[in-house]
Amino acid sequence: SAVISQKPSRDICQRGTSLTIQCQVDSQVTMMFWYRQQPGQSLTLIATANQGSEATYESGFVIDKFPISRPNLTFSTLTVSNMSPEDSSIYLCSVENQGANAGYTFGSGTRLTVV
Amino acid sequence: GNSVTQMEGPVTLSEEAFLTINCTYTATGYPSLFWYVQYPGEGLQLLLKATKADDKGSNKGFEATYRKETTSFHLEKGSVQVSDSAVYFCADTQGGSEKLVFGKGTKLTVNP
Repeated sequence: SAVISQKPSRDICQRGTSLTIQCQVDSQVTMMFWYRQQPGQSLTLIATANQGSEATYESGFVIDKFPISRPNLTFSTLTVSNMSPEDSSIYLCSVENQGANAGYTFGSGTRLTVV
Repeated sequence: GNSVTQMEGPVTLSEEAFLTINCTYTATGYPSLFWYVQYPGEGLQLLLKATKADDKGSNKGFEATYRKETTSFHLEKGSVQVSDSAVYFCADTQGGSEKLVFGKGTKLTVNP
């Protein structure tokens, strides 16, 4: 299975500021996924990031709030912009494995607290 | 649309008890089905999966069978351990898509 390095693992940020989260994969993958896990809740897909094209956002999420970069097949960033306390969540990236280990690997997550 | 419904928690069991966490899905066609586990303070890990009807996924003593007729993928373990304490998420892929849809999660606590 792919191995994902996600950072930062946690951060405490002031409202109105922005935070960029990075995910590095040890192999080339076509699609990367970004999820949000609000406190005590399940995971919600924010967007799907393809290399060389704009990310596809799910209902309720917009590019201005969550801009995503995908400069190559092993790397992606998610920025949480103009943060408010409601953005306090765990953010995770994910990739789909190929072949015999099909399934999805997740990064270790970024625990964001906005004060 | 596609949704995944799993048993509400929290679930508290004694060590060596039998565990069942129910999960049903609404996706049409033949989605792939997954159970993920999140141990305290850790990231999400794939526990087991099944990709076609009647497949049984198994790992670490846990198992789940893909039941097309009841659109279910219930998680079972015959004898739980304290180390199984975690949050368990059922998930599926939307038919024909790589997007994962998650259930709300079930927190399991196993007491010695």
